[in-house]
Amino acid sequence: QSVLTQPPLVSGAPGQRVTISCTGSSSNVGAGYDVHWYQHLPGSAPKLLIYGDSNRPSGVPDRFSGSKSGTSASLAITGLQAEDESDYYCQSYDSSLGASVFGGGTKLTVL
Amino acid sequence: QVQMVQSGPEVKKPGASVRVSCKASGYTFNTYDISWVRQAPGQGLEWMGWISGRNGNTNYAQKLQGRVTLTTDTSTTTAYMDLRSLRSDDTAVYYCARGGASTGYDAWGQGTLVIVSS
Repeated sequence: QSVLTQPPLVSGAPGQRVTISCTGSSSNVGAGYDVHWYQHLPGSAPKLLIYGDSNRPSGVPDRFSGSKSGTSASLAITGLQAEDESDYYCQSYDSSLGASVFGGGTKLTVL
Repeated sequence: QVQMVQSGPEVKKPGASVRVSCKASGYTFNTYDISWVRQAPGQGLEWMGWISGRNGNTNYAQKLQGRVTLTTDTSTTTAYMDLRSLRSDDTAVYYCARGGASTGYDAWGQGTLVIVSS
């Protein structure tokens, strides 16, 4: 059981908007620690998609955005494309564990 | 450009040890931390530990305490992950990544498959 909770599956049609939630607690997201998001295609290395809650590294399309409120964070993808089909993970720091923590991952299917 | 190149796949017997290396290039090695993350078959990403690029301080996941050691060699800009007393549930793809929990991991190695089997 992951410290950060994500829905296991999310789907959407091409062109649609989808969101992936990441729910934590007062010792991680709720404590103000930054949330980061990764895209991970099986067989390849994870890719940093969003850092510091809502910042995009250079080269990441602006279709991807991140937000945070209270003990939850969200990743939004607009204008869904077939190439967005992947696993997505949130990650933060947990002060009770003194460790980095990942969400359990969300598999995005483009219908 | 920043690159993290890991060593090749390993097959080990239960009880053995494994060392995975991660050669970093394209940036000043001692100005960034390096973290290790693994993914077991069918599972999500699991953080293993972190080593400071500045002073070599380390922090390990509680479940791996006593079995994992992270080191770096600044002369060769290479990071190492040693895992001892291997068990079948250590079978996973192991990744090195640049960065720490607060900054995120902005560059990753290609992954190293470690299979533990008798």
